[in-house]
Amino acid sequence: DAKTTQPPSMDCAEGRAANLPCNHSTISGNEYVYWYRQIHSQGPQYIIHGLKNNETNEMASLIITEDRKSSTLILPHATLRDTAVYYCIVRVHSNRGANNLFFGTGTRLTVIP
Amino acid sequence: DAGVIQSPRHEVTEMGQEVTLRCKPISGHNSLFWYRQTMMRGLELLIYFNNNVPIDDSGMPEDRFSAKMPNASFSTLKIQPSEPRDSAVYFCASSAGNEQFFGPGTRLTVL
Repeated sequence: DAKTTQPPSMDCAEGRAANLPCNHSTISGNEYVYWYRQIHSQGPQYIIHGLKNNETNEMASLIITEDRKSSTLILPHATLRDTAVYYCIVRVHSNRGANNLFFGTGTRLTVIP
Repeated sequence: DAGVIQSPRHEVTEMGQEVTLRCKPISGHNSLFWYRQTMMRGLELLIYFNNNVPIDDSGMPEDRFSAKMPNASFSTLKIQPSEPRDSAVYFCASSAGNEQFFGPGTRLTVL
């Protein structure tokens, strides 16, 4: 699986958009970009994933560059409850039905009142 | 749905004792994963099952660790004998496709 690089930490003011970058310059054509987050003392939580098109759901938007070497997770209106560690993961979808994930160190996002 | 259920939530034991962690995946999910999280090593995949069959156990640290999935609704992770370096939070996750759903974890402390 391709490796990812994320900044170790970021701050964001409450109510503002949080833009979390991720570099995955060695991504291959069949690898998807996944984002999970982990709020303190909880298990990781799926946020969103995509292959090459931008994606949006009720939690966030995912912007993938045209060359797919980097992506940005956008939380449009950050709240204090969005304070968490955010993990960017790239992974091939397995035909065997299981998609094991390899978590890196992630970005610790702190939303400031 | 209650989500992925793990028990116990906290376990404190002494070195050398056997520890058994339990997981009930979400009904209908055909994949189950065991992860371990420590400050030093982050979140690591230990083993995963697909349709109750172990697919990849390369993340299992050593022979002291074993995992079973006797049926689609139950899995165990056993450590025998336990050591202080096994202290960590152990997460179970299940999946029916692209998204993994994690349980609340079991915090294990080995004294």
